[in-house]
Amino acid sequence: AQSVTQLDSHVSVSEGTPVLLRCNYSSSYSPSLFWYVQHPNKGLQLLLKYTSAATLVKGINGFEAEFKKSETSFHLTKPSAHMSDAAEYFCVVSELDDYKLSFGAGTTVTVRA
Amino acid sequence: SAVISQKPSRDICQRGTSLTIQCQVDSQVTMMFWYRQQPGQSLTLIATANQGSEATYESGFVIDKFPISRPNLTFSTLTVSNMSPEDSSIYLCSVEVPVPPGYGYTFGSGTRLTVV
Repeated sequence: AQSVTQLDSHVSVSEGTPVLLRCNYSSSYSPSLFWYVQHPNKGLQLLLKYTSAATLVKGINGFEAEFKKSETSFHLTKPSAHMSDAAEYFCVVSELDDYKLSFGAGTTVTVRA
Repeated sequence: SAVISQKPSRDICQRGTSLTIQCQVDSQVTMMFWYRQQPGQSLTLIATANQGSEATYESGFVIDKFPISRPNLTFSTLTVSNMSPEDSSIYLCSVEVPVPPGYGYTFGSGTRLTVV
């Protein structure tokens, strides 16, 4: 069975500085990995997805994530934070060809002006 | 990718009553999923709904409490029955969509339910 651990429940950064959100996963088979963002009172939006293609995945809004099998990690980064990046971020895993998603507990990002 | 319209967006309900949540998708989809997000927590899958068959429920969720309908390939409802304050959560529907080279999932905007 798959599972996800988001290592930080809350991350606070200054506008214009890098953002790092850490995610470790556990999966019996080849996983599909996702990052979703949830802005206050809004639905979940897909940022990016990994499915055994390139290990460095580029997503929307300047986010990217690197899949490291040896470390079972899928950390999300952005080189320069913007105020609009303040939101809740979820790391999600599914087994290949399995529709069941396992969500991490979420990381709340605040951006200081 | 698919666009989901979910309603109501929020509701305040009396304990012991039931609320039906609707999800309409702008394209035909095989599977629809229902999730619960309890306050301050992550998402938990309630059930998977395929058109023409009974929904498949995850451990801890039962049909009597969360009956689901899936009358066609673009629509589904989730009912929260005999509500108690513990049912206060955000409920979201989701569908599988093509995200090359495979698939991903898009979500409705959620129904924020408060039971008093």
